[in-house]
Amino acid sequence: GEDVEQSLFLSVREGDSSVINCTYTDSSSTYLYWYKQEPGAGLQLLTYIFSNMDMKQDQRLTVLLNKKDKHLSLRIADTQTGDSAIYFCAETPRGGGADGLTFGKGTHLIIQP
Amino acid sequence: KAGVTQTPRYLIKTRGQQVTLSCSPISGHRSVSWYQQTPGQGLQFLFEYFSETQRNKGNFPGRFSGRQFSNSRSEMNVSTLELGDSALYLCASSPGTDTQYFGPGTRLTVL
Repeated sequence: GEDVEQSLFLSVREGDSSVINCTYTDSSSTYLYWYKQEPGAGLQLLTYIFSNMDMKQDQRLTVLLNKKDKHLSLRIADTQTGDSAIYFCAETPRGGGADGLTFGKGTHLIIQP
Repeated sequence: KAGVTQTPRYLIKTRGQQVTLSCSPISGHRSVSWYQQTPGQGLQFLFEYFSETQRNKGNFPGRFSGRQFSNSRSEMNVSTLELGDSALYLCASSPGTDTQYFGPGTRLTVL
């Protein structure tokens, strides 16, 4: 079945770049997403990438997609304390949003001063 | 545009009771999905509605049900609550594409 894997924790120093990695299994996924969740809050859509793209950049965020290895990454440049949150990778299984997104367990991003 | 709103934000119920949660999607969005988030299982898909029709359902027991109204607002109901139903319930709306926008969630505690 479909599965999305992420590391549970990532610790970086303020000002450095953070790279959060994700692997997925459904090769038919049309979109792959990154969501951010702060304590006590819902999920904030950060960015997404269409499966026929290799890279997408949006201000401090860069998404890289390697379809061959089914690997997705999110790079946050100049990491700030406000970036401290849980980051979820998600895919649309079988190419349809009606089937629901499949999420990873989330990566806790910890910022060291 | 206002975002997805969910009410109530917090609920405390006891085992055996039932609960109804409400979600108002972003204006113009016709698709509403529901997810359950727990520390152990993470985020799991419950069901999705589009134009008042349930299009898909996740792997949850029949105690979990939902509906969507003609104005796209949606409710989900959980009957005969169990301790394990304690979770954050998230609603997401979509304009019909795959991209989903989430509300703040309803935190349900079952005692």
